[in-house]
Amino acid sequence: DQQVKQNSPSLSVQEGRISILNCDYTNSMFDYFLWYKKYPAEGPTFLISISSIKDKNEDGRFTVFLNKSAKHLSLHIVPSQPGDSAVYFCAASRPHNAGNMLTFGGGTRLMVKP
Amino acid sequence: EAQVTQNPRYLITVTGKKLTVTCSQNMNHEYMSWYRQDPGLGLRQIYYSMNVEVTDKGDVPEGYKVSRKEKRNFPLILESPSPNQTSLYFCASTLTGQGSQPQHFGDGTRLSIL
Repeated sequence: DQQVKQNSPSLSVQEGRISILNCDYTNSMFDYFLWYKKYPAEGPTFLISISSIKDKNEDGRFTVFLNKSAKHLSLHIVPSQPGDSAVYFCAASRPHNAGNMLTFGGGTRLMVKP
Repeated sequence: EAQVTQNPRYLITVTGKKLTVTCSQNMNHEYMSWYRQDPGLGLRQIYYSMNVEVTDKGDVPEGYKVSRKEKRNFPLILESPSPNQTSLYFCASTLTGQGSQPQHFGDGTRLSIL
């Protein structure tokens, strides 16, 4: 059973417009949520995160919103640029024994058209 | 340059032939982990290590072993590989493993088990 889901496998957006990527989760033990971006033949790279006690975090063109009651988070990219074309993974962290475990969603491929 | 290095990047092998994928980081991070990426499933955690000689199972540990004898190295061992272990593997590290800390990923190892 996937505890973190990204229901849109792909998204196409025009350059300059807003990109909205969505993520749903089921486990209320998650205490941090992170977004990673992945280009082909490279490892994921960290983009932005949010604590479960916040509802918004902003970093330049990227904003993450968390709706805890709905167990839903979203990543907004404004304005979208062609270089943003990549696969985006939502991830959620929870305490596990002496450490933490990270659970990823299945990813959303974003294509930004010039 | 701060990095996580995995070797090999690509490997094609046969069922039952033991293999090791090496992972090394130069950031003096305490926490290291292994993930596999499969289509539609995102990244799933195999094992993680909080520090030298401290390892724990992730979500999909069956068929894998790890060891952490030195802080910088965290090899992934497949004692008797099977075709269902054909996947893209990522090693990652973070300073202490707290949920808020983003993970630094290697560029991946693509394994094909025939």
